[in-house]
Amino acid sequence: GESVGLHLPTLSVQEGDNSIINCAYSNSASDYFIWYKQESGKGPQFIIDIRSNMDKRQGQRVTVLLNKTVKHLSLQIAATQPGDSAVYFCAEPPPNTGNQFYFGTGTSLTVIP
Amino acid sequence: DVKVTQSSRYLVKRTGEKVFLECVQDMDHENMFWYRQDPGLGLRLIYFSYDVKMKEKGDIPEGYSVSREKKERFSLILESASTNQTSMYLCASSFPAAGQGEQYFGPGTRLTVT
Repeated sequence: GESVGLHLPTLSVQEGDNSIINCAYSNSASDYFIWYKQESGKGPQFIIDIRSNMDKRQGQRVTVLLNKTVKHLSLQIAATQPGDSAVYFCAEPPPNTGNQFYFGTGTSLTVIP
Repeated sequence: DVKVTQSSRYLVKRTGEKVFLECVQDMDHENMFWYRQDPGLGLRLIYFSYDVKMKEKGDIPEGYSVSREKKERFSLILESASTNQTSMYLCASSFPAAGQGEQYFGPGTRLTVT
């Protein structure tokens, strides 16, 4: 069945370095993906999305890359700051299901000052 | 700003109690969702609703029910709470946009069943 997974459950980076968080998906028909950020004690918040007709999308300090050939997503955070410490999820909608999403288990990012 | 609120941040209930978790959104969203979040398992969909009085089972509906009497409010009901329902419960809402469109989440309710 479909799955959305993350390669690493935890990631530690030095403040100021770039962070890369990866996500694999199994449904080749998926055409839309979202990255969420969840800070401690809060609900997930939208960071950035990407449609399958794009390979790359940039936001403020964040870039999402989509490689449809290997069914892989990555979220890149430039100049990581302590406020970036959080759990990051990728999410994809299963086909023909309206607004449901499958969420990955998340990667916990810790920024070391 | 979209706001999704949940009635409690923390709840402690006893096994067998009936538990109500309330969620309210203020953006006139048609879609509302209930998830539970457990370490290592991510977010799992319990129930969702695309309209008033409408509900659909998610991936793990057993032991839960929902109610949507008004568009802005979506309630999750644990008919007889059990210890394996100890979890973080997250409510979300969104506009209808088949297969796309972000969900806005509430802050979560951490439920402990003893």
